[in-house]
Amino acid sequence: RKEVEQDPGPFNVPEGATVAFNCTYSNSASQSFFWYRQDCRKEPKLLMSVYSSGNEDGRFTAQLNRASQYISLLIRDSKLSDSATYLCVVNRYSGGYQKVTFGTGTKLQVIP
Amino acid sequence: DAMVIQNPRYQVTQFGKPVTLSCSQTLNHNVMYWYQQKSSQAPKLLFHYYDKDFNNEADTPDNFQSRRPNTSFCFLDIRSPGLGDAAMYLCATSRGVGTGFYSNQPQHFGDGTRLSIL
Repeated sequence: RKEVEQDPGPFNVPEGATVAFNCTYSNSASQSFFWYRQDCRKEPKLLMSVYSSGNEDGRFTAQLNRASQYISLLIRDSKLSDSATYLCVVNRYSGGYQKVTFGTGTKLQVIP
Repeated sequence: DAMVIQNPRYQVTQFGKPVTLSCSQTLNHNVMYWYQQKSSQAPKLLFHYYDKDFNNEADTPDNFQSRRPNTSFCFLDIRSPGLGDAAMYLCATSRGVGTGFYSNQPQHFGDGTRLSIL
């Protein structure tokens, strides 16, 4: 089983729709969590950190469920510019160093 | 603006010819990372530095080495590139906060270097 798993999609949604992605992680010692977006042939850009209490940034809401070991990203009122691949990142402390694992990403296509 | 800069953006090298990719940062972050990303795959961590302390991922090929002469610069050396090493190479930085050699802070990426092997 992969340490971090995401549904690759693609998720094709109309403009204005609400869409949600999940990302599951297998190691319960995971400590910090992030969502990044990556446009085609570009570098990942930080979208938001994910906090235990959940957090919101405009149209984006991130949540962490430690009991079920997943994080989620909700996008409300989708825009065409939201079309991208969304990567989750999970950090944990392992063998004296941090272990960083990216999910393979979920592709979102917002349709006019 | 504070940022992470990778050079060059595109690099073409011949099979077996050593190549060096560079990364510099003005964020003054003490943690620097190198990733390899192939098409439609997740970025894969090759190694990272926490200050001068170096951690090589267990499955990083011996062909890949890194140098960090100071806080601002980090290099990725590929000694004998094979066709399978063609990929996007991403440098990232983060602020080391937390216990031990661990950063719980988000990473900031450079634009990447796209490496092609002839």
